[in-house]
Amino acid sequence: QITLKESGPTLVKPTQTLTLMCTFSGFSLNTSGLGVGWIRQPPGKALEWLALIYWDDDTRYSTSLRSRLTVTKDTSKNQVMLTVTNMDPADTATYYCAHRKTGSDPFDYWGQGTLVTVSS
Amino acid sequence: EIVMTQSPASLSVSPGERATLSCRASQTVAFNLAWYQQKPGQAPRLLIYDASTRATGIPARFSGSGSGTEFTLTISSLQSEDFAVYICQHYNNWPPITFGQGTRLEIK
Repeated sequence: QITLKESGPTLVKPTQTLTLMCTFSGFSLNTSGLGVGWIRQPPGKALEWLALIYWDDDTRYSTSLRSRLTVTKDTSKNQVMLTVTNMDPADTATYYCAHRKTGSDPFDYWGQGTLVTVSS
Repeated sequence: EIVMTQSPASLSVSPGERATLSCRASQTVAFNLAWYQQKPGQAPRLLIYDASTRATGIPARFSGSGSGTEFTLTISSLQSEDFAVYICQHYNNWPPITFGQGTRLEIK
Protein backbone atom coordinates (compact mmCIF):
# COMPACT_ATOMS: atom_id res chain seq x y z
CA GLN A 1 0.00 0.00 0.00
CA ILE A 2 1.56 3.26 -1.15
CA THR A 3 1.21 6.29 1.11
CA LEU A 4 2.87 9.70 1.12
CA LYS A 5 2.72 12.48 3.68
CA GLU A 6 4.01 16.02 3.55
CA SER A 7 5.39 17.83 6.57
CA GLY A 8 6.87 21.22 7.26
CA PRO A 9 6.03 24.69 8.53
CA THR A 10 2.53 26.06 8.11
CA LEU A 11 3.70 29.67 8.21
CA VAL A 12 6.81 31.27 6.75
CA LYS A 13 7.80 34.90 6.40
CA PRO A 14 8.50 36.60 3.07
CA THR A 15 12.09 36.08 1.84
CA GLN A 16 12.53 32.97 4.01
CA THR A 17 13.34 29.53 2.66
CA LEU A 18 10.66 26.85 2.84
CA THR A 19 11.72 23.25 3.48
CA LEU A 20 9.14 20.52 3.05
CA MET A 21 9.54 16.81 3.61
CA CYS A 22 7.66 14.01 1.90
CA THR A 23 7.78 10.76 3.84
CA PHE A 24 6.50 7.75 1.98
CA SER A 25 5.91 4.03 2.39
CA GLY A 26 4.99 1.14 0.15
CA PHE A 27 7.75 1.71 -2.37
CA SER A 28 11.45 2.42 -2.54
CA LEU A 29 13.12 5.16 -4.53
CA ASN A 30 15.80 2.61 -5.33
CA THR A 31 13.36 0.99 -7.75
CA SER A 32 14.11 1.60 -11.41
CA GLY A 33 11.87 4.20 -13.02
CA LEU A 34 10.16 5.52 -9.91
CA GLY A 35 9.84 9.19 -9.15
CA VAL A 36 8.35 11.54 -6.57
CA GLY A 37 6.99 14.90 -7.59
CA TRP A 38 5.92 18.09 -5.88
CA ILE A 39 2.81 19.96 -6.92
CA ARG A 40 1.18 22.99 -5.31
CA GLN A 41 -2.25 24.57 -5.37
CA PRO A 42 -2.95 28.14 -4.21
CA PRO A 43 -6.31 28.50 -2.48
CA GLY A 44 -9.09 28.29 -5.08
CA LYS A 45 -6.63 28.00 -7.96
CA ALA A 46 -5.19 25.41 -10.29
CA LEU A 47 -2.56 22.79 -9.61
CA GLU A 48 1.00 23.73 -10.52
CA TRP A 49 3.75 21.14 -10.97
CA LEU A 50 7.01 22.17 -9.27
CA ALA A 51 9.64 19.44 -9.31
CA LEU A 52 10.42 15.76 -9.74
CA ILE A 53 13.18 13.48 -8.54
CA TYR A 54 13.72 10.01 -9.92
CA TRP A 55 15.26 6.82 -8.57
CA ASP A 56 18.56 7.60 -10.34
CA ASP A 57 18.77 11.17 -8.88
CA ASP A 58 17.59 12.72 -12.14
CA THR A 59 15.76 15.93 -11.24
CA ARG A 60 13.33 18.07 -13.22
CA TYR A 61 12.02 21.51 -12.34
CA SER A 62 9.32 23.91 -13.39
CA THR A 63 10.92 26.33 -15.83
CA SER A 64 9.31 29.35 -14.14
CA LEU A 65 10.50 28.41 -10.62
CA ARG A 66 13.70 26.55 -11.40
CA SER A 67 16.00 29.10 -9.81
CA ARG A 68 14.21 28.81 -6.45
CA LEU A 69 13.66 25.06 -6.17
CA THR A 70 15.80 22.16 -5.01
CA VAL A 71 14.59 18.60 -4.62
CA THR A 72 16.64 15.86 -2.97
CA LYS A 73 16.02 12.35 -1.68
CA ASP A 74 17.14 10.18 1.21
CA THR A 75 16.43 6.66 0.04
CA SER A 76 17.39 5.09 3.36
CA LYS A 77 14.73 7.16 5.14
CA ASN A 78 12.11 6.99 2.38
CA GLN A 79 12.02 10.77 2.20
CA VAL A 80 12.08 13.46 -0.45
CA MET A 81 12.78 17.06 0.45
CA LEU A 82 11.79 20.23 -1.40
CA THR A 83 13.30 23.62 -0.68
CA VAL A 84 11.87 26.84 -2.04
CA THR A 85 13.93 29.97 -1.54
CA ASN A 86 12.82 33.58 -1.26
CA MET A 87 9.21 32.82 -0.35
CA ASP A 88 6.55 35.37 -1.28
CA PRO A 89 2.87 35.68 -0.34
CA ALA A 90 2.10 34.43 -3.88
CA ASP A 91 3.66 31.11 -2.82
CA THR A 92 0.87 30.52 -0.32
CA ALA A 93 -0.56 27.17 -1.33
CA THR A 94 -1.22 23.59 -0.41
CA TYR A 95 1.90 21.63 -1.32
CA TYR A 96 1.51 18.00 -2.37
CA CYS A 97 3.99 15.25 -3.02
CA ALA A 98 3.02 12.41 -5.33
CA HIS A 99 4.30 9.07 -6.64
CA ARG A 100 5.12 8.54 -10.29
CA LYS A 101 5.70 5.02 -11.59
CA THR A 102 7.92 6.12 -14.47
CA GLY A 103 8.65 9.25 -16.46
CA SER A 104 5.86 8.25 -18.83
CA ASP A 105 3.14 7.97 -16.21
CA PRO A 106 0.90 10.38 -14.30
CA PHE A 107 0.91 10.87 -10.54
CA ASP A 108 -1.00 7.89 -9.23
CA TYR A 109 -0.68 8.34 -5.47
CA TRP A 110 -0.78 11.67 -3.67
CA GLY A 111 -0.12 12.85 -0.15
CA GLN A 112 -2.85 14.70 1.72
CA GLY A 113 -1.10 18.03 1.18
CA THR A 114 0.14 20.65 3.58
CA LEU A 115 -0.99 24.28 3.55
CA VAL A 116 1.85 26.78 3.70
CA THR A 117 1.01 30.43 4.30
CA VAL A 118 3.52 33.17 3.55
CA SER A 119 2.93 36.22 5.69
CA SER A 120 4.88 38.61 7.86
CA GLU B 1 4.85 25.28 -22.00
CA ILE B 2 1.76 23.34 -23.06
CA VAL B 3 -1.42 25.11 -21.99
CA MET B 4 -4.28 22.83 -20.99
CA THR B 5 -7.69 24.47 -21.44
CA GLN B 6 -10.75 22.88 -19.90
CA SER B 7 -14.34 23.59 -20.78
CA PRO B 8 -16.76 24.40 -19.46
CA ALA B 9 -15.47 26.02 -16.29
CA SER B 10 -18.53 24.71 -14.48
CA LEU B 11 -21.31 22.33 -15.36
CA SER B 12 -24.64 21.68 -13.65
CA VAL B 13 -26.03 18.19 -14.19
CA SER B 14 -28.77 16.18 -12.49
CA PRO B 15 -27.96 12.87 -10.79
CA GLY B 16 -28.35 9.98 -13.20
CA GLU B 17 -27.57 12.10 -16.23
CA ARG B 18 -24.44 12.10 -18.38
CA ALA B 19 -21.67 14.67 -18.04
CA THR B 20 -19.16 15.44 -20.76
CA LEU B 21 -16.04 17.46 -19.93
CA SER B 22 -13.45 18.69 -22.41
CA CYS B 23 -9.74 19.36 -22.28
CA ARG B 24 -7.68 20.89 -25.07
CA ALA B 25 -3.88 21.00 -25.25
CA SER B 26 -2.09 23.86 -27.00
CA GLN B 27 0.14 21.31 -28.76
CA THR B 28 -0.02 17.59 -29.14
CA VAL B 29 0.48 15.43 -26.07
CA ALA B 30 -0.23 12.17 -27.95
CA PHE B 31 -2.01 9.95 -25.42
CA ASN B 32 -0.15 11.30 -22.37
CA LEU B 33 -3.25 12.74 -20.75
CA ALA B 34 -4.67 12.08 -17.30
CA TRP B 35 -7.89 13.08 -15.56
CA TYR B 36 -8.14 13.65 -11.83
CA GLN B 37 -11.07 14.18 -9.49
CA GLN B 38 -10.65 16.60 -6.60
CA LYS B 39 -13.09 17.14 -3.76
CA PRO B 40 -12.87 20.06 -1.29
CA GLY B 41 -10.01 19.67 1.15
CA GLN B 42 -8.71 16.53 -0.57
CA ALA B 43 -5.82 15.67 -2.83
CA PRO B 44 -6.52 14.90 -6.49
CA ARG B 45 -7.44 11.30 -7.26
CA LEU B 46 -6.30 9.71 -10.51
CA LEU B 47 -9.25 8.59 -12.64
CA ILE B 48 -7.95 8.10 -16.17
CA TYR B 49 -4.47 7.85 -17.69
CA ASP B 50 -3.16 7.33 -21.20
CA ALA B 51 -6.26 9.29 -22.25
CA SER B 52 -8.63 6.34 -21.86
CA THR B 53 -7.40 3.81 -19.28
CA ARG B 54 -9.24 3.78 -15.97
CA ALA B 55 -7.04 3.76 -12.90
CA THR B 56 -7.36 1.00 -10.34
CA GLY B 57 -10.73 0.98 -8.61
CA ILE B 58 -12.36 3.61 -10.82
CA PRO B 59 -15.95 2.75 -11.73
CA ALA B 60 -16.82 1.96 -15.34
CA ARG B 61 -19.12 4.99 -15.56
CA PHE B 62 -15.96 7.08 -15.99
CA SER B 63 -14.50 6.98 -19.48
CA GLY B 64 -11.92 8.99 -21.34
CA SER B 65 -11.27 9.50 -25.03
CA GLY B 66 -9.19 11.55 -27.41
CA SER B 67 -5.62 11.96 -28.53
CA GLY B 68 -3.28 14.68 -29.70
CA THR B 69 -4.88 17.91 -28.55
CA GLU B 70 -8.54 17.11 -27.87
CA PHE B 71 -9.73 14.99 -24.96
CA THR B 72 -13.03 14.17 -23.29
CA LEU B 73 -14.02 12.77 -19.91
CA THR B 74 -17.50 11.28 -19.78
CA ILE B 75 -19.37 10.25 -16.67
CA SER B 76 -22.24 8.14 -17.89
CA SER B 77 -24.70 8.29 -14.99
CA LEU B 78 -23.81 10.78 -12.30
CA GLN B 79 -23.83 9.61 -8.72
CA SER B 80 -23.94 11.98 -5.75
CA GLU B 81 -20.27 11.29 -4.99
CA ASP B 82 -19.22 12.40 -8.48
CA PHE B 83 -19.87 16.08 -7.88
CA ALA B 84 -16.37 17.53 -7.66
CA VAL B 85 -13.73 19.35 -9.68
CA TYR B 86 -12.20 17.47 -12.61
CA ILE B 87 -8.70 18.34 -13.76
CA CYS B 88 -6.78 17.24 -16.83
CA GLN B 89 -3.00 16.97 -16.96
CA HIS B 90 -0.47 16.19 -19.64
CA TYR B 91 2.55 14.23 -18.50
CA ASN B 92 4.98 14.43 -21.38
CA ASN B 93 8.52 14.73 -20.08
CA TRP B 94 9.03 17.74 -22.28
CA PRO B 95 7.56 20.34 -22.29
CA PRO B 96 7.05 19.94 -18.53
CA ILE B 97 3.87 18.72 -16.86
CA THR B 98 0.95 21.15 -16.79
CA PHE B 99 -2.57 20.96 -15.43
CA GLY B 100 -5.83 22.41 -16.66
CA GLN B 101 -7.81 24.93 -14.63
CA GLY B 102 -10.47 22.36 -13.80
CA THR B 103 -14.19 21.91 -14.45
CA ARG B 104 -16.49 22.18 -11.46
CA LEU B 105 -19.30 19.63 -11.72
CA GLU B 106 -22.29 20.73 -9.70
CA ILE B 107 -25.64 19.20 -8.82
CA LYS B 108 -28.53 20.63 -10.83
